[in-house]
Amino acid sequence: EAGVAQSPRYKIIEKRQSVAFWCNPISGHATLYWYQQILGQGPKLLIQFQNNGVVDDSQLPKDRFSAERLKGVDSTLKIQPAKLEDSAVYLCASSLIQIRTDTQYFGPGTRLTVL
Amino acid sequence: EDKVVQSPLSLVVHEGDTVTLNCSYEVTNFRSLLWYKQEKKAPTFLFMLTSSGIEKKSGRLSSILDKKELSSILNITATQTGDSAIYLCAANSGGSNYKLTFGKGTLLTVNP
Repeated sequence: EAGVAQSPRYKIIEKRQSVAFWCNPISGHATLYWYQQILGQGPKLLIQFQNNGVVDDSQLPKDRFSAERLKGVDSTLKIQPAKLEDSAVYLCASSLIQIRTDTQYFGPGTRLTVL
Repeated sequence: EDKVVQSPLSLVVHEGDTVTLNCSYEVTNFRSLLWYKQEKKAPTFLFMLTSSGIEKKSGRLSSILDKKELSSILNITATQTGDSAIYLCAANSGGSNYKLTFGKGTLLTVNP
């Protein structure tokens, strides 16, 4: 079974530029998550999709971050314009929600450096 | 606000030692607790715990949940250099969101 795919793996941009990340979840997984992991911290949830609908985006900085999952499969996360503090690893995860429990499987992540 | 706290934040041991990593949580509508191992970038799944007092075991790793104390431990016996990684604990909280709140992780370094 193929895992969660993400691209690019690395990205270096200057502040105020735009950047986009792509994620393709495990086949059949209805739920997709984007996390931000700053060095030395645990992953922080940015946005959660159930199929193509947003379930939770309470921690997404909506003035500069946006995400979509138009067909309920792959997803893109965009930052426009980027700030220095956006330097982090952006992780995508997917899950097949069970009735009582749930395990999220992570992609390899994209390391973003904002100069 | 949901919170997960891990301790210690870092640990250095020698090969063959046994280590215990701690995780405490305060989340609304707790469903389960998960442990992940993060070596480079992607966290890889280790265990999911839902019931108190039932140990889950995989090789030299084991974990147990204490719902009364709102905590969990991860044990690694006979450590190897390949166990060097960040170990992340996450609590899965309620409603329909199945949201994970992560701790900061424990950086484990196993020296030969």
